[in-house]
Amino acid sequence: DVKVTQSSRYLVKRTGEKVFLECVQDMDHENMFWYRQDPGLGLRLIYFSYDVKMKEKGDIPEGYSVSREKKERFSLILESASTNQTSMYLCASSSAGVTEAFFGQGTRLTVV
Amino acid sequence: SQQGEEDPQALSIQEGENATMNCSYKTSINNLQWYRQNSGRGLVHLILIRSNEREKHSGRLRVTLDTSKKSSSLLITASRAADTASYFCATIPGGSYIPTFGRGTSLIVHP
Repeated sequence: DVKVTQSSRYLVKRTGEKVFLECVQDMDHENMFWYRQDPGLGLRLIYFSYDVKMKEKGDIPEGYSVSREKKERFSLILESASTNQTSMYLCASSSAGVTEAFFGQGTRLTVV
Repeated sequence: SQQGEEDPQALSIQEGENATMNCSYKTSINNLQWYRQNSGRGLVHLILIRSNEREKHSGRLRVTLDTSKKSSSLLITASRAADTASYFCATIPGGSYIPTFGRGTSLIVHP
């Protein structure tokens, strides 16, 4: 079974902290994605990557950056956390071509 | 930008009844997918239907796609309490590989 693992289920961080959310997949997928999910807004794409060291902005990249140094790992970085970044963050991966996405269990981040 | 929009936003039914959710989208697609999310968890892929297909079945799930109306429906037959979850459609636009999700339908199945 494909497994996408996010490093934390729950995180509480303080305003202004630098926050790292890690995501690892074990199926050699080329594509990896970061979404955030907020009530009433559904899933919104933050960043995606189609290859090592390649990254593209999604719909809401402001306040975020990403890193993909290895194929299996895609990190989301909040440079200076703010309360409006309190959300559920979902990582996903998929193989090249137009296929299903596999999701991690999500990280619920609270910024206080 | 959200490509797909699910309807209704919320659906409450009794066990044994059928549940139908709809998804409308705006631009041409390569395929459309349905996902399920249990409360506070990640999404799980249910079924994928390609743009040249009209209907697809998987167990108690039936998905239809009408590209002329830019719409899809997900039917869950003989629903169970365990089907209680949020259901999302995701469209893959032509020339892309990025799933774009709607806001989801929250389904509650009462035992």
